[in-house]
Amino acid sequence: EAGVTQSPTHLIKTRGQQATLRCSPISGHTSVYWYQQALGLGLQFLLWYDEGEERNRGNFPPRFSGRQFPNYSSELNVNALELEDSALYLCASILGRWGYTFGSGTRLTVV
Amino acid sequence: EDKVVQSPLSLVVHEGDTVTLNCSYEVTNFRSLLWYKQEKKAPTFLFMLTSSGIEKKSGRLSSILDKKELFSILNITATQTGDSAIYLCAVETSYLSQGAQKLVFGQGTRLTINP
Repeated sequence: EAGVTQSPTHLIKTRGQQATLRCSPISGHTSVYWYQQALGLGLQFLLWYDEGEERNRGNFPPRFSGRQFPNYSSELNVNALELEDSALYLCASILGRWGYTFGSGTRLTVV
Repeated sequence: EDKVVQSPLSLVVHEGDTVTLNCSYEVTNFRSLLWYKQEKKAPTFLFMLTSSGIEKKSGRLSSILDKKELFSILNITATQTGDSAIYLCAVETSYLSQGAQKLVFGQGTRLTINP
């Protein structure tokens, strides 16, 4: 069974640009979570999608948005990038309420 | 605001030592507490704890939850260099009225095992 896959692995953008990160959950998993892990910090909850709907969002500005597609894959968009957006962005999928499985993440660097 | 605090933030020990990592939490609508090991990028699941006082064990790792005092510990005995990683504690919370749920993470403990 393929795990959670994220792309790209690394992304370098300049301040003010937009970044798009992608996540494919484990087959059959309908929920996708996005987390931000800045250097030296724990994982901060960003967004939760389930069955194509945004169910919950963390304390992040509206520049952070996303969506979930009919095949349950998800996209995270970050607009008007700022230097402090540089972080590892992790996606996790679950089926029901058990078994959060994380992808390997996208390392976003804003210069 | 939901909060999870881990201590210590960093720990350096010698191979063979036993370590205890701490996790305390203050959340509304607690559902479970999870421990993860993060070596490079993807955190990998270690334990899920839902009941107080019941030890979960996997090899040299064990964990227990105290829901009265709102904390959990992760023990690693006979440590090996391969145990070097960041250990993350997360609490699963729910918002029953909205059917929402999420994991709230602590800052992590960076464990370094020296040979």
